[in-house]
Amino acid sequence: AAGVIQSPRHLIKEKRETATLKCYPIPRHDTVYWYQQGPGQDPQFLISFYEKMQSDKGSIPDRFSAQQFSDYHSELNMSSLELGDSALYFCASSTGTDQETQYFGPGTRLLVL
Amino acid sequence: AQTVTQSQPEMSVQEAETVTLSCTYDTSESDYYLFWYKQPPSRQMILVIRQEAYKQQNATENRFSVNFQKAAKSFSLKISDSQLGDAAMYFCAFTPRDQFYFGTGTSLTVIP
Repeated sequence: AAGVIQSPRHLIKEKRETATLKCYPIPRHDTVYWYQQGPGQDPQFLISFYEKMQSDKGSIPDRFSAQQFSDYHSELNMSSLELGDSALYFCASSTGTDQETQYFGPGTRLLVL
Repeated sequence: AQTVTQSQPEMSVQEAETVTLSCTYDTSESDYYLFWYKQPPSRQMILVIRQEAYKQQNATENRFSVNFQKAAKSFSLKISDSQLGDAAMYFCAFTPRDQFYFGTGTSLTVIP
């Protein structure tokens, strides 16, 4: 069965640079969620989109923005990167008929030097 | 505010034995869903089991079962016949239909 796809899987950036993370949800899933998991931490919710509209917002820094496109894929844009942004970024998707269950992608490991 | 608490940072179990991981949560919502996710060293988040709060029957998925006590806001995971591949970090998660709230995780070691 198709799963959530995230790209890139690994990313190394310098401080103050920008990064764009992409997420391709499971086919026919209309909701996308972004989470940040720091080293040794539990995942923290950043933001979610339903039918291309922002549906919920968590602890997402102002330096980050995200959107969901017409094909339902989503991009997380991160600017003015800081050392503390180094983390594993998960995307998850769900479908309207089973909105409650989120299926996670493999994550993007971001390292900020 | 929604909170999820996993009071056992680490647990260990002998292969083929049974282990129970604890999770408690706090919410004022009446309709919600609970999940257990497994995160092996690859750090992929893998869905283990889910429970709807309106269902009294405890969910079961092969060797994995839950003990859901709604009044006590408790949601423990029982792993029977533990296997080496069960070694991972286990996260309890709660959702009132939007974002997930995760516990801090329990690291499970399986001893051969």
